[in-house]
Parts: sequence; structure tokens; C-alpha cells
Amino acid sequence: DTAVSQTPKYLVTQMGNDKSIKCEQNLGHDTMYWYKQDSKKFLKIMFSYNNKELIINETVPNRFSPKSPDKAHLNLHINSLELGDSAVYFCASSHGLGSARGYEQYFGPGTRLTVT
Amino acid sequence: DQQVKQNSPSLSVQEGRISILNCDYTNSMFDYFLWYKKYPAEGPTFLISISSIKDKNEDGRFTVFLNKSAKHLSLHIVPSQPGDSAVYFCAAANSGNTPLVFGKGTRLSVIA
Repeated sequence: DTAVSQTPKYLVTQMGNDKSIKCEQNLGHDTMYWYKQDSKKFLKIMFSYNNKELIINETVPNRFSPKSPDKAHLNLHINSLELGDSAVYFCASSHGLGSARGYEQYFGPGTRLTVT
Repeated sequence: DQQVKQNSPSLSVQEGRISILNCDYTNSMFDYFLWYKKYPAEGPTFLISISSIKDKNEDGRFTVFLNKSAKHLSLHIVPSQPGDSAVYFCAAANSGNTPLVFGKGTRLSVIA
């Protein structure tokens, strides 16, 4: 009964490739997020979707494109992978931002992406 | 430009004693603060939060204190248990629909 699930858990790929990470939540939340945790351990927001609509885009390169087919899913597609994209990517969900409950976010287990 | 700082990368505490994790912030617009806990190979888990209208919030063994004038918050865990060993992230937001800003985390080790 995983609340927020991500696939794959590990992803090793070469520079220049295109890859996708999938995320699903079964909590009935209407807001979903992608975070990146880099080698310095900072956890930074990349994108947020509310009811399939993009509401936060934190100056992420155009090579990263989120897609939300419905409010339970938020996938992340990355084109032309670079070495610097190596990180752990976390998906999260919550009730809508703008309320205290919006900050109580439920995270997936993370996808460790290694670009060689 | 770190708006949320956790200056202690690690902390070791004996089982049964108090653990105190500290967090400082620079953005005076932040009005909502949270602590998340993270075990290895798992995502962060929400632990406890506090709004800027309060200076203390308690939930079982966990208490968060907020000092707005010092732009400082702390998480107290009493008594500490080995299962509390994890990385603790402090996070803050301006509740006007802005994203969470996280600190780098503090690794807590509770020694039996």
C-alpha cells in the first residue's frame, strides 16, 4: 500500500540519452512535486503540479519536462542527459499549496540517477 | 544563498537523553516551518511543523521551538531512541503559495 511510488529506483545511463522517471500517488492529493537532491545533499524543488497544471517551475533546464496525465501521476522526462544530472530525484504529493497541509508532503523513495 | 541552514552535519546522543537539532533561516518572510526525517534509501517523512504565530509545538516525544527574533528553530527529541537515528531536515516556507526551502540536514545517531 505504497502512498507515493517511483520507478525505477535506480537508473544508470550514458550522457546524451533520454530517460523518464514515473511517479504515482494513491493519497488523493491534488498537488505533486519533483525534487532533486544533489551531491551536496540539498533537497531542491524542481516542479509542482496542482490538478495537472504546472504551478512551480524553479529555473530548471528545458531538458527536464514534467508531464501529469492525471492528478495521481507526475512523470519526469529528461532529454540529453548530462553528468551534472546525476542525483537522487524525489517525487512528493500533498494537499494544495496555500494551506498548512500543503507543506506536509509525502515523499516517494527516490530514484538514484547516475549518468556516465 | 542558503535561506535555511543546519550548521551541524551530525549529532550523536545516548539513548534516553535529549537530542536537540538546530536550524537557522535568513528569510524574514518565512512563516511556516517543518521538520522532516529521512532514513537511508527512503524519502523524507513529515515529522512536525510550527506556524510563526506560535513559539512551541509538541507531539509526543518531539517538540519544535521557534524564536522569530533570532530566526532560529530547534527540534527536541526526548527521550531519544535508537530508531530516531536518521537525517533530519528543517524546511521553511512563506505560506503564500511558495515552495518549501530545505536545509542540508543533520544526521542524528542515537547510541544504545
